[in-house]
Amino acid sequence: NAGVTQTPKFRILKIGQSMTLQCTQDMNHNYMYWYRQDPGMGLKLIYYSVGAGITDKGEVPNGYNVSRSTTEDFPLRLELAAPSQTSVYFCASSWGGASSGNTIYFGEGSWLTVV
Amino acid sequence: LAKTTQPISMDSYEGQEVNITCSHNNIATNDYITWYQQFPSQGPRFIIQGYKTKVTNEVASLFIPADRKSSTLSLPRVSLSDTAVYYCLVGANSGGYQKVTFGTGTKLQVIP
Repeated sequence: NAGVTQTPKFRILKIGQSMTLQCTQDMNHNYMYWYRQDPGMGLKLIYYSVGAGITDKGEVPNGYNVSRSTTEDFPLRLELAAPSQTSVYFCASSWGGASSGNTIYFGEGSWLTVV
Repeated sequence: LAKTTQPISMDSYEGQEVNITCSHNNIATNDYITWYQQFPSQGPRFIIQGYKTKVTNEVASLFIPADRKSSTLSLPRVSLSDTAVYYCLVGANSGGYQKVTFGTGTKLQVIP
């Protein structure tokens, strides 16, 4: 079972460049999330989506954009990369809201370095 | 929002039972309590979930008192492979949607 798949796994960006982190899930989940995790720190929610066409900001949305045109895909766009965006990015999904007892499934992470 | 508070770190010797408590004073009536485990360089994974009283699975037990303002994750006879960060998660409703935020987690170090 594929679950949540993220690409690329590693990427080095120069300051000011843009890129898209891809995320796809094959579990027909409604909810999808993007988190970032700085070294030694906890997870911070960037954006989330509760279904195709519906997205909302999380705790740290500045410098990022998302779209959700299909149930399966939830790409994260970094515009004008900055060193502060050096982090590990995790995509995740759940069938319904986590507080209602739905398990969140995470991808393996994407390591991004901005130099 | 149901914010959670956990100890930042804990140390334990192999073979001991470890209890990690999470405070969530503002938990909503319909909220479940879920614990996740994260190993270095990996995404978090589900350990256990409960609503009230006690839940046990092959990995851990979860104790929830009647007022549900806290919960305790219990790991029996820990081994070195249990060294990880453990997150307590209580969902929160925001504008009708369930925005899911993780706290800082508890870093458990198991010592030989």
